[in-house]
Amino acid sequence: EVQLVESGGGLVKPGGSLRLSCAASGFTFSSYSMNWVRQAPGKGLEWVSSISISSSYIYYADSVKGRFTISRDNAKISLYLQMNSLRADDTAVYYCARSVYGDYVNDALDIWGQGTMVTVSS
Amino acid sequence: EIVLTQSPGTLSLSPGERATLSCRASQSVSSSYLAWYQQKPGQAPRLLIHGASVRATGIPDRFSGSGSGTDFTLTISRLEPEDFAVYYCHQYGSSPQTFGQGTKLEIK
Repeated sequence: EVQLVESGGGLVKPGGSLRLSCAASGFTFSSYSMNWVRQAPGKGLEWVSSISISSSYIYYADSVKGRFTISRDNAKISLYLQMNSLRADDTAVYYCARSVYGDYVNDALDIWGQGTMVTVSS
Repeated sequence: EIVLTQSPGTLSLSPGERATLSCRASQSVSSSYLAWYQQKPGQAPRLLIHGASVRATGIPDRFSGSGSGTDFTLTISRLEPEDFAVYYCHQYGSSPQTFGQGTKLEIK
């Protein structure tokens, strides 16, 4: 079964850091670009970041640029999101998602994880 | 940044009826790189349509997408009870990628 499972969410104080992980299974992880998308409580979807197969191309939303870092380890079949200088408006469910066509960084997203909740509050 | 505006905000229909959801972009969407997703409460989004009109794997043929440039439409030909959910459009042709604010499809 093709699956993505996020972990690492939790409660953190403003200014703090968290590292999210996304474990992939059921497909050749190293052949697909990957993405993070978030959804604040009761709100819509917001694209956060994308990374190409070999990590050569990386993109961020302006709202997280300079604070968040996306990375991947193809040997460990995992995607990561390092989040620093967290703010209250970063509070959201964070989803990892797979690009439809493996080597396209900007692509539709066909497989999604169940999400991990990040709450930034004092 | 391309802003996607979805209309209506809420659509109230009955099972068996036809649903037409609109997504309008503030600029032309490159190469029709426009997708539609369905999201039910407590669940992750599900890809329905990509490339403006290509159904994703396993999506019933009652779902269809059309449009180009700045105007796109998702049509559900005959609503089933499981189709009542929130629908989002997503453009991925220009960076940053952006999503519409969503259309809630509710049972009348």
